[in-house]
Amino acid sequence: DAGVTQSPTHLIKTRGQQVTLRCSPISGHKSVSWYQQVLGQGPQFIFQYYEKEERGRGNFPDRFSARQFPNYSSELNVNALLLGDSALYLCASTRESGNTIYFGEGSWLTVV
Amino acid sequence: QQQVKQSPQSLIVQKGGISIINCAYENTAFDYFPWYQQFPGKGPALLIAIRPDVSEKKEGRFTISFNKSAKQFSLHIMDSQPGDSATYFCAASKKTGFQKLVFGTGTRLLVSP
Repeated sequence: DAGVTQSPTHLIKTRGQQVTLRCSPISGHKSVSWYQQVLGQGPQFIFQYYEKEERGRGNFPDRFSARQFPNYSSELNVNALLLGDSALYLCASTRESGNTIYFGEGSWLTVV
Repeated sequence: QQQVKQSPQSLIVQKGGISIINCAYENTAFDYFPWYQQFPGKGPALLIAIRPDVSEKKEGRFTISFNKSAKQFSLHIMDSQPGDSATYFCAASKKTGFQKLVFGTGTRLLVSP
């Protein structure tokens, strides 16, 4: 079975632009979470979705939004990009709440 | 109360030696403690995880020791190999309900040949 897949793998954006990152969970997994990992730090929780409903949100501004689709895939949107948004954005999936969390390889975002 | 503190920040171990990484948490509601291994340019990969109802869990060369009263847990890598050179993150979460992983700051391990 394929693992958590994310796209794009790398992208460069200009300050003020908007970006959409995509994630497909492991087959059969209904929960998707998003994390931001700044270089040299541990991942920070952004959102969790389960059955298309937002279950939790981390300490991130409203410029960050996400959604989950009926096929359980998910998108993370970031508006009005800042230089500080440059990071590895990780998607993680679990079968349902309370199970092992598996991460994708991430999307590297560079804001210039 | 949401923090997970991890040490050391970096570690150099000779091939065949034991690598030990320590973590401490504050939130007593945490009941799931995974360790992730991350290679440069890759996402974190689950290595081993433990729940607080056991004091130790071993999988191959990797062992988690858990001290509930001290709110501490550690990863031991036996017979460390150069291929183990990576960054290791401890994490904690509640096992049920809204599951949010709180990560430590990471330990960069270098195993010298």
